[in-house]
Amino acid sequence: DTGVSQDPRHKITKRGQNVTFRCDPISEHNRLYWYRQTLGQGPEFLTYFQNEAQLEKSRLLSDRFSAERPKGSFSTLEIQRTEQGDSAMYLCASSRRGGAEKLFFGSGTQLSVL
Amino acid sequence: QQQVKQSPQSLIVQKGGISIINCAYENTAFDYFPWYQQFPGKGPALLIAIRPDVSEKKEGRFTISFNKSAKQFSLHIMDSQPGDSATYFCAARLNQAGTALIFGKGTTLSVSS
Repeated sequence: DTGVSQDPRHKITKRGQNVTFRCDPISEHNRLYWYRQTLGQGPEFLTYFQNEAQLEKSRLLSDRFSAERPKGSFSTLEIQRTEQGDSAMYLCASSRRGGAEKLFFGSGTQLSVL
Repeated sequence: QQQVKQSPQSLIVQKGGISIINCAYENTAFDYFPWYQQFPGKGPALLIAIRPDVSEKKEGRFTISFNKSAKQFSLHIMDSQPGDSATYFCAARLNQAGTALIFGKGTTLSVSS
């Protein structure tokens, strides 16, 4: 059990560019969540997968955001045409079937949009 | 109705003292209330959690007190230590399997030695 892994840890990009983040959950966990956290705030839910199916999306997830989990293992979160307001920590979490209440978070990807 | 309101925003406690963080909610459909601890540069980690059918839960130095009628719950850290210095988030979940947690805005705790 190596924990939830996120890559990259930091990303600096210019406004208008596309960025993609990767999350590798704990291997036996079938549920995967993406959250966004800005300074001084709690994590805000973006989207949730059970296996490869995306079951829930927040209103925060605009059309510029897309998430995939093609084989029910790792997940990617892509932001197209980044805006300065997208600057935040993007957190991934996973949980196992039957233990959906206990979320294990990764250390996040810190995005800075210049 | 979907919010969880957390207070105080920051807290300074002497080593050995009791740290108390409070949260309040409106939606009675919430059925699970965890507390998460986050250190700088790390993701949140589950500390302790409670369901509304229990008024108190204790794990080591950490206790959750839950008041269902007042729709409030609190985290008590006994014998606070400098290593407890972190940001603490309360959260709540709607009673649907897999539904995401709604987090409070966090409390930054500093324990002085």
